[in-house]
Amino acid sequence: DQQVKQNSPSLSVQEGRISILNCDYTNSMFDYFLWYKKYPAEGPTFLISISSIKDKNEDGRFTVFLNKSAKHLSLHIVPSQPGDSAVYFCAANLSGTYKYIFGTGTRLKVLA
Amino acid sequence: DSGVTQTPKHLITATGQRVTLRCSPRSGDLSVYWYQQSLDQGLQFLIQYYNGEERAKGNILERFSAQQFPDLHSELNLSSLELGDSALYFCASSVVGDFYNEQFFGPGTRLTVL
Repeated sequence: DQQVKQNSPSLSVQEGRISILNCDYTNSMFDYFLWYKKYPAEGPTFLISISSIKDKNEDGRFTVFLNKSAKHLSLHIVPSQPGDSAVYFCAANLSGTYKYIFGTGTRLKVLA
Repeated sequence: DSGVTQTPKHLITATGQRVTLRCSPRSGDLSVYWYQQSLDQGLQFLIQYYNGEERAKGNILERFSAQQFPDLHSELNLSSLELGDSALYFCASSVVGDFYNEQFFGPGTRLTVL
């Protein structure tokens, strides 16, 4: 049972445009969400996070939006750069636990 | 470089064998996490240790075990290996074992079971 879903395995975007990566979850007990970026042959690196008490968090070119009623979060990258090409994972923390549930990832390709 | 080291980088072994994966957390980090990433799968949380004690367990098989030593490095032991155990195994560390801590990942160990 995949509680955190990233339904788009891949996404291609032109350099300078907006990249929107989506993540859906099923468990209403998730209360903290994170995005990680992963380059080939490297471990994931933390990008941005959001608590369930917020609906938006921004850090430079990266913004995460949380829609709790729809159980949906999205990562916006503006403007997209070729160096953003990587696999992006969303992850959710189950309230009251130390467990993070990861999605299957979306491969973003930013075309120059 | 996240500061988390994992050895070996690659491991090729046969079914039925046992292997040990090693992880050294970032300096000062007390918590270590192990994850498994199979082909086209997300990261599956296996287990977490905090300052030598097991803190959380995920989808870890009984054939797998882990421990965290007094110097805070951790080992993941995989025994009676099956073809399906072939995967990337990541270790991550964080400062404390609280809920909302950014985890820093190592580069992973790629295990191939033939």
